[in-house]
Amino acid sequence: DAKTTQPPSMDCAEGRAANLPCNHSTISGNEYVYWYRQIHSQGPQYIIHGLKNNETNEMASLIITEDRKSSTLILPHATLRDTAVYYCIVAPSGGGADGLTFGKGTHLIIQP
Amino acid sequence: DAGVIQSPRHEVTEMGQEVTLRCKPISGHNSLFWYRQTMMRGLELLIYFNNNVPIDDSGMPEDRFSAKMPNASFSTLKIQPSEPRDSAVYFCASSSLLGLRKVYFGPGTRLTVT
Repeated sequence: DAKTTQPPSMDCAEGRAANLPCNHSTISGNEYVYWYRQIHSQGPQYIIHGLKNNETNEMASLIITEDRKSSTLILPHATLRDTAVYYCIVAPSGGGADGLTFGKGTHLIIQP
Repeated sequence: DAGVIQSPRHEVTEMGQEVTLRCKPISGHNSLFWYRQTMMRGLELLIYFNNNVPIDDSGMPEDRFSAKMPNASFSTLKIQPSEPRDSAVYFCASSSLLGLRKVYFGPGTRLTVT
């Protein structure tokens, strides 16, 4: 029972902004949106998270719609090293943390 | 920080043999997770510990799988006896109970059972 829906794959030209969408229409009020990515042959890596406000860090920006039913991860200037599978996950905040459930994610391919 | 450390990085064994995968979480983290990844099933959560106590092992596929965490800095995942369908990449991950879900994954152990 997937709580998020992502396109299976996307292409983006190197140097352009990569915008990865995620639908989470059944998100609960106490659930955050988390983004992770997995570069080939490596473990998943945390990127960013948000509750209802837009967030930005050194890796990416996260835009969450006002109704919180969808979000977009933005990589502002994609490089070849950003080619990876990107996972959008909704989960409550910590406190007795249980495991994250990963879906199939979006395979982002950065084209030279 | 050295990050989550897993050993071995690669393991090739024959069907029926016992396999033990090892993990050292990030110092200070009190949640530890074992995941398995295959092409068919993606990333699956097998078991997780909070403060060294197993909380949920519902993802462990069979009784052949067992996991222990004898102390805060070490965990093992054991498969006995191993089968070819256990071939996968096994990831260990850790996080802080107090923080949000910033989970740090190790590099994984690629297991091949022939």
